[in-house]
Amino acid sequence: EVQLVESGGGLIQPGGSLRLSCAASGFTVSSNYMSWVRQAPGKGLEWVSVIYSGGSTYYADSVKGRFTISRDNSKNTLYLQMNSLRAEDTAVYYCARFRRGLQFAFDIWGQGTMVTVSS
Amino acid sequence: DIQMTQSPSSVSASVGDRVTITCRASQGISSWLAWYQQKPGKAPKLLIYAASSLQSGVPSRFSGSGSGTDFTLTISSLQPEDFATYYCQQANSFPPLTFGQGTRLEIK
Repeated sequence: EVQLVESGGGLIQPGGSLRLSCAASGFTVSSNYMSWVRQAPGKGLEWVSVIYSGGSTYYADSVKGRFTISRDNSKNTLYLQMNSLRAEDTAVYYCARFRRGLQFAFDIWGQGTMVTVSS
Repeated sequence: DIQMTQSPSSVSASVGDRVTITCRASQGISSWLAWYQQKPGKAPKLLIYAASSLQSGVPSRFSGSGSGTDFTLTISSLQPEDFATYYCQQANSFPPLTFGQGTRLEIK
């Protein structure tokens, strides 16, 4: 079965760091474009970051310089390292497969992991 | 950055109704548009890609149209399970990828 399972969310103080993980099954992370999308409580979807199959990475301006997307091919897992966290980073974080063959639509999503930044 | 604007922000309808949601891009995006459905507490689900292509497994009552700057998502005959929030997303020019603000479809 093709699926994504996120983990690593939680309550963290402002200025702190957290690493989210997204384990994939049924397909190979490194052969695909993979992305993180977040959703603040009661708000809409916000794209955060993408990593291409070739390894190039891109970020939303709101997280650039603070967040790092990466992957571990041996574990078939995607990561999001989040540093210098702010209250406005509070959101459910979803990992998603970003399909070139579907004109760059997100076809597989994880269940989401909640990150709460608060003192 | 390309801005995506959906209308209406919310709509009330009844089972069996035909509903249309509109998404407008701030500049032309050809057909690089996707539509998603999200239910409370759940991840979004891909419905339509390339503006009008139905994702595998999605009921045929969902359809998409448009190109350039104006797009529509139509549900031909609303079913109880269709009450949710719908988002459009452009992929013509990124980064950044951008989503519309969402349209909440409620039961009348």
